[in-house]
Amino acid sequence: NAGVTQTPKFQVLKTGQSMTLQCAQDMNHNSMYWYRQDPGMGLRLIYYSASEGTTDKGEVPNGYNVSRLNKREFSLRLESAAPSQTSVYFCASSVAVQETQYFGPGTRLLVL
Amino acid sequence: QKEVEQNSGPLSVPEGAIASLNCTYSDRGSQSFFWYRQYSGKSPELIMFIYSNGDKEDGRFTAQLNKASQYVSLLIRDSQPSDSATYLCAVNRDNYGQNFVFGPGTRLSVLP
Repeated sequence: NAGVTQTPKFQVLKTGQSMTLQCAQDMNHNSMYWYRQDPGMGLRLIYYSASEGTTDKGEVPNGYNVSRLNKREFSLRLESAAPSQTSVYFCASSVAVQETQYFGPGTRLLVL
Repeated sequence: QKEVEQNSGPLSVPEGAIASLNCTYSDRGSQSFFWYRQYSGKSPELIMFIYSNGDKEDGRFTAQLNKASQYVSLLIRDSQPSDSATYLCAVNRDNYGQNFVFGPGTRLSVLP
């Protein structure tokens, strides 16, 4: 039982490049989330998926897209990376949106 | 006013002492409250949650909720150097995914 897994662990991009961050959970959770964490800013919600087949914007969705591929997988795509997207990205999942969230190990992204 | 506020710290306590971490929130209708611990370079992990006014104890940890005053606190008894981390308060305002809001965190340092 791996919980929430994320790939890659670390990535360096040049401005304008695109990439997809992958997230998968094996806890049979319905809801999944993408956050970014910046120094002094705490965790900020980018997008979430309350259940398979639905996605909704969070606090900071600009510059990102998501796909809920199936119940297990929720990916985050940066179409044209910008230095302002340098951050640590966490994926999380929960049984339902009001329940405890469990986090993956994070992806450290550096955009030059 | 930020939705969830915490003193950024660092809060320094000697080993064996009680560490008291505080969190205030602005939405009076908030329903559930969570404390996460995050070690440097790691992902947040749940310590405990509380839904009802009063105290909830789990080992060395006690969460206290006062909805009338809109604050939630975490007490750590017999603090250990291994408790040194950033503690994140999270508030779920309702049953919608985007309303699970994290505070900026308080950095705790337990001195041997």
